[in-house]
Amino acid sequence: QVQLVQSGSELKKPGASVKVSCKASGYTFTRYAMNWVRQAPGQGLEWMGWINTDTGNSTYAQGFTGRFVFSLDTSVSTAYLQSSSLKAEDTAVYYCAKGSTAVAGLDFDYWGQGTLVTVSS
Amino acid sequence: SYVLTQPPSVSVAPGQTASIPCGGNNIGGKSVHWYQQRPGQAPVLVIYDGSDRPSGIPERFSGSTSGNTATLTISRVEAGDEADYYCQVWESSSDNVVFGGGTKLTVL
Repeated sequence: QVQLVQSGSELKKPGASVKVSCKASGYTFTRYAMNWVRQAPGQGLEWMGWINTDTGNSTYAQGFTGRFVFSLDTSVSTAYLQSSSLKAEDTAVYYCAKGSTAVAGLDFDYWGQGTLVTVSS
Repeated sequence: SYVLTQPPSVSVAPGQTASIPCGGNNIGGKSVHWYQQRPGQAPVLVIYDGSDRPSGIPERFSGSTSGNTATLTISRVEAGDEADYYCQVWESSSDNVVFGGGTKLTVL
């Protein structure tokens, strides 16, 4: 069965960096888009962008350019989200979500369990 | 930018029908997807392409879209349906995924 397993919670100081992993299993990793979604405490879902798992090309939503980078290690079917120069307002749960096709534009049929990143001095 | 509008909350008694609207300009011309998020859990897809159910989702969940409103309908509501529900579309003019603000369903 399809599973997305994310890395554990992180506590970071302002200005630090963090890298969240999302290990996929149960399907051919390079055939489906991988999306990243942020959810701040008590808030709704916010799409950060997606990465083409076949080509490695990334597209970032407005507000997530510059400090956020998506990457892949297809040899271990894992997607990564790296965030730098962290701010208190980056405190959130970060989800990876598998697209139902190779490119963005449709639904997210499977989600990781989420990774809580807390930014605090 | 494209905006999806959902009411913050909807309440329904057990066994009754809940309707959760999602408003957007000409949303009837888009594919609308719905997610259920129970407290402390990741979202789960419950309706895709407006009215299709993924395997494992009860038939009690249905979706429809017309004009400027998409609607998620949950029949014979159970206590376990209490959750936040989000609508989502792809906005092709900006190549962006857009989520509604979410609706908290309370089962009385």
